[in-house]
Amino acid sequence: DVKVTQSSRYLVKRTGEKVFLECVQDMDHENMFWYRQDPGLGLRLIYFSYDVKMKEKGDIPEGYSVSREKKERFSLILESASTNQTSMYLCASSRSGAGREAFFGQGTRLTVV
Amino acid sequence: KQEVTQIPAALSVPEGENLVLNCSFTDSAIYNLQWFRQDPGKGLTSLLLIQSSQREQTSGRLNASLDKSSGRSTLYIAASQPGDSATYLCAVNSNYQLIWGAGTKLIIKP
Repeated sequence: DVKVTQSSRYLVKRTGEKVFLECVQDMDHENMFWYRQDPGLGLRLIYFSYDVKMKEKGDIPEGYSVSREKKERFSLILESASTNQTSMYLCASSRSGAGREAFFGQGTRLTVV
Repeated sequence: KQEVTQIPAALSVPEGENLVLNCSFTDSAIYNLQWFRQDPGKGLTSLLLIQSSQREQTSGRLNASLDKSSGRSTLYIAASQPGDSATYLCAVNSNYQLIWGAGTKLIIKP
């Protein structure tokens, strides 16, 4: 079975802190994605990556950056956390090419105080 | 621009009933459609994936259909159980990205 693992289930950070959310997949998938999920807004794509060291902006990249130094790991970085970044963050991976099944991690509930 | 709608937003039914969740999309040029389940505070579990060339997929008590020409998919759950209570999301794979519906929150009453 494909496994996508996010480093933390729950995280509480202070405003202005630099925050790292880590995601690791074990199936050699080329594509990796970061979403955030908010009540009433659904899932929104922040960034995605098609390959090592490649990144593409999604719908809401402002305030975020990403890093993909190894194929299996995709990190989401909040450069200076703000309260409006309190949310559920979901990582996903899939094989390359169109029409591939996406697999998700268990989510990280981030609270910025 | 692709838009995905799920109806109803919430559904509450007694245990044992068969039920149908609906997902509609505006652009029929899709690669596939995927149904997910999400338990409160947790990540997404993939239930079924239907490729654009397929009409339906089945897994246990779940059956998903796809009518690309009319822009519709349904998720049929047979003999519902309290453990089926969750939010069900559909996502359309369009232009290499997933476009999401808002979900249907399902409650199965014992």
